[in-house]
Amino acid sequence: NAGVTQTPKFQVLKTGQSMTLQCAQDMNHNSMYWYRQDPGMGLRLIYYSASEGTTDKGEVPNGYNVSRLNKREFSLRLESAAPSQTSVYFCASSADRGMYEQYFGPGTRLTVT
Amino acid sequence: DQQVKQNSPSLSVQEGRISILNCDYTNSMFDYFLWYKKYPAEGPTFLISISSIKDKNEDGRFTVFLNKSAKHLSLHIVPSQPGDSAVYFCAASTRSASKIIFGSGTRLSIRP
Repeated sequence: NAGVTQTPKFQVLKTGQSMTLQCAQDMNHNSMYWYRQDPGMGLRLIYYSASEGTTDKGEVPNGYNVSRLNKREFSLRLESAAPSQTSVYFCASSADRGMYEQYFGPGTRLTVT
Repeated sequence: DQQVKQNSPSLSVQEGRISILNCDYTNSMFDYFLWYKKYPAEGPTFLISISSIKDKNEDGRFTVFLNKSAKHLSLHIVPSQPGDSAVYFCAASTRSASKIIFGSGTRLSIRP
């Protein structure tokens, strides 16, 4: 039982390059989330998927797209990376939306130069 | 506008003493509150939660207190241990919402 897994762990991109961050969970959870963590800013929600087949914007969605590929997988895509997207990205899942604890992956540290 | 605020970026406590981490919120619709703990290079892990119908919830060394009138919650850790050194995030949600809102975190250091 791996919980929430994320790939890659580290990535360096040049400005304008694109990439997809992968996330998968094996807990049969309905809801999945993407956050970014920046110093002094805590965790900010980028996008979430309350259930398979649905996605919604969070606090900071600009510059990102997401795909809920199936119940297990939720990917985050940066179409044209910018230095402001340098951050640590966390994927999380929960049994259902709202009042349930979320389980987090180990994070992806992304640097955009 | 930060709906969940942790005004102390850091806190240092002696081993064996009580650690008290504070959190304030502005949205009176929040009815579920959580604390997460994060070690470096790891994802946050759930620690303890409380529903708005309660004012206290205990789990071993960890107790969360909720003061709805003041829109304030706190996490007490007693006794504090070296393994408690981490960043602690306060978070809040509503029954109808699909997401939770996190505070900016407090870095707790337990000194010998």
